[in-house]
Amino acid sequence: EVQLVESGGGLVQPGGSLRLSCAASGFTFSSYWMHWVRQAPGKGLVWVSHINTDGSNTNYADSVKGRFTISRDNAKNTLYLQVTSLRAEDTAVYYCARGVVVVGLDLWGQGTAVTVSS
Amino acid sequence: EIVLTQSPGTLSLSPGERATLSCRASQSVTSRYLSWYQQKPGQAPRLLIYGASSRATGIPDRFTGSGSGTDFTLTISRLEPEDFAVYYCQQYGSSPLTFGGGTKVEIK
Repeated sequence: EVQLVESGGGLVQPGGSLRLSCAASGFTFSSYWMHWVRQAPGKGLVWVSHINTDGSNTNYADSVKGRFTISRDNAKNTLYLQVTSLRAEDTAVYYCARGVVVVGLDLWGQGTAVTVSS
Repeated sequence: EIVLTQSPGTLSLSPGERATLSCRASQSVTSRYLSWYQQKPGQAPRLLIYGASSRATGIPDRFTGSGSGTDFTLTISRLEPEDFAVYYCQQYGSSPLTFGGGTKVEIK
């Protein structure tokens, strides 16, 4: 089955860190750009970061630049998002998604929730 | 950054009615790289339309996307009970990728 499964979310104090993971299966993971998108409670979708197929090209939303790091391990079919210096406004469900240039984000995981609170 | 503005914020309609959702971009969207997503409560978004007018795999033909440049429309010809959800447009032709604020289609 073609799917993405996120994990690693949880409750963390302000200033804390987490590593989110996204396990891919059912398709050739190394052939696709991958993205992280987040959604704060009751709010809309916000793109966070993307990474190209071999990990040599990454980009970030201004709101997370310098605090979040996207990476991937193609041997393990896994995407990561290292989130540091967390703030209350980072509280959200974090989705990983597969990117296709002419299509957009055609496959999404179920999301992992990050709550930043003392 | 391309800002996408969706209207209306909420659309109250009955099953069987036609829904027309608008997405306006602050500048022209490159190569019609405009997509639409559907999101139901507690679920991940699902791709409906890409390239402004192409339906994604498995999407019924009651969903139609149109438009170019800065003005795009998603039309649902006859609302089915499962269509009541939040719809987002997104542009992926320019970095950063951006989403509209969403339109909620609710049962009247």
